[in-house]
Amino acid sequence: SQQGEEDPQALSIQEGENATMNCSYKTSINNLQWYRQNSGRGLVHLILIRSNEREKHSGRLRVTLDTSKKSSSLLITASRAADTASYFCATFGGGGADGLTFGKGTHLIIQP
Amino acid sequence: EAQVTQNPRYLITVTGKKLTVTCSQNMNHEYMSWYRQDPGLGLRQIYYSMNVEVTDKGDVPEGYKVSRKEKRNFPLILESPSPNQTSLYFCASSFLADVSYEQYFGPGTRLTVT
Repeated sequence: SQQGEEDPQALSIQEGENATMNCSYKTSINNLQWYRQNSGRGLVHLILIRSNEREKHSGRLRVTLDTSKKSSSLLITASRAADTASYFCATFGGGGADGLTFGKGTHLIIQP
Repeated sequence: EAQVTQNPRYLITVTGKKLTVTCSQNMNHEYMSWYRQDPGLGLRQIYYSMNVEVTDKGDVPEGYKVSRKEKRNFPLILESPSPNQTSLYFCASSFLADVSYEQYFGPGTRLTVT
């Protein structure tokens, strides 16, 4: 069943600006992951944050996790045209074997 | 190169004509899964497999079958396709022992049922 819900559904910013996307979920999790999807292509794993972590960095990506609010945010700094894509959060509950549950995604457009 | 492959990439078929979408991975992953992606609905899991001969239903299994006879292959079977199965399908795999379940995705199969 759908768990993660990304916000906003779509975001358009100028190249060089920072982009922030949020994800809310409903049940307890083992970890939360962010994936990127370029138009019509397969998803690519970006970053994973475990339930006992609050913040994680990878290059221009910064992810935060607030388990008390059941929410996460993905920040992309100094955006580039190549960052144009859809971004999905996915949660792994850890209590079962059914893998990841994905949200509906945020479509990010970087305008040159 | 580590990868998940799917075939075909594009398929247009007619209602009721059985079809199979193949999925293969070369990373020795135990866990494999099928998703469908529809506008406004995100990715929904169809079936998953923990290992050879072990499969289970995801969120939207109706109208689909799977099999896992070999570790590397996880075909998706539509016995009698219907127009509501028109969608973009993704296969994914991961190590089971890695509790992160970071999944590797195939390139997708765009299916149209008329």
